[in-house]
Amino acid sequence: DTAVSQTPKYLVTQMGNDKSIKCEQNLGHDTMYWYKQDSKKFLKIMFSYNNKELIINETVPNRFSPKSPDKAHLNLHINSLELGDSAVYFCASSFTGGDGYTFGSGTRLTVV
Amino acid sequence: KQEVTQIPAALSVPEGENLVLNCSFTDSAIYNLQWFRQDPGKGLTSLLLIQSSQREQTSGRLNASLDKSSGRSTLYIAASQPGDSATYLCAAPQGGGSEKLVFGKGTKLTVNP
Repeated sequence: DTAVSQTPKYLVTQMGNDKSIKCEQNLGHDTMYWYKQDSKKFLKIMFSYNNKELIINETVPNRFSPKSPDKAHLNLHINSLELGDSAVYFCASSFTGGDGYTFGSGTRLTVV
Repeated sequence: KQEVTQIPAALSVPEGENLVLNCSFTDSAIYNLQWFRQDPGKGLTSLLLIQSSQREQTSGRLNASLDKSSGRSTLYIAASQPGDSATYLCAAPQGGGSEKLVFGKGTKLTVNP
């Protein structure tokens, strides 16, 4: 299936831990994104990579570090997790200038 | 800076009604606008993408229009069904050639049988 896939779907972890979320797309898109959906369901961009190059870096704590090993993969590593990091994180991809976004199904992160 | 506003925030209708969801955006220098659907606890499903050169797009019972000059888009749902119950999100690019997509806060639709 052509898609944007994220793993894991659910992540429950303790404060202070470090965790990673992985994203892969097989749509041939050249741009990938991380969005955060908070408890009020508002979606806000965090990062964007175009052909492995960081092009958007919103005001996000530097505990969050994206990595793009190739244009089909964009991972998100979070250090020293805090309660406020609890949210749903969505990966998405698109062609530059193009045909709209495709979203993954999300990773629900709960920090306890 | 692009801002996207959706009205109403919530809407409850009886099955079979036709309805309109509204979206407004502040920066009209956009190359497209996208409507999504989100079911509770699920991801975003793209419904319709309207390019800036188009005025509307249709998919089944859904029709989306785009008026860049007034900074508005509408999503029309014909003959609503309980399965249409979801949150509908409108999203427009930041503008100035940015790939950043700015979302509205959504309209939560409930269609009652």
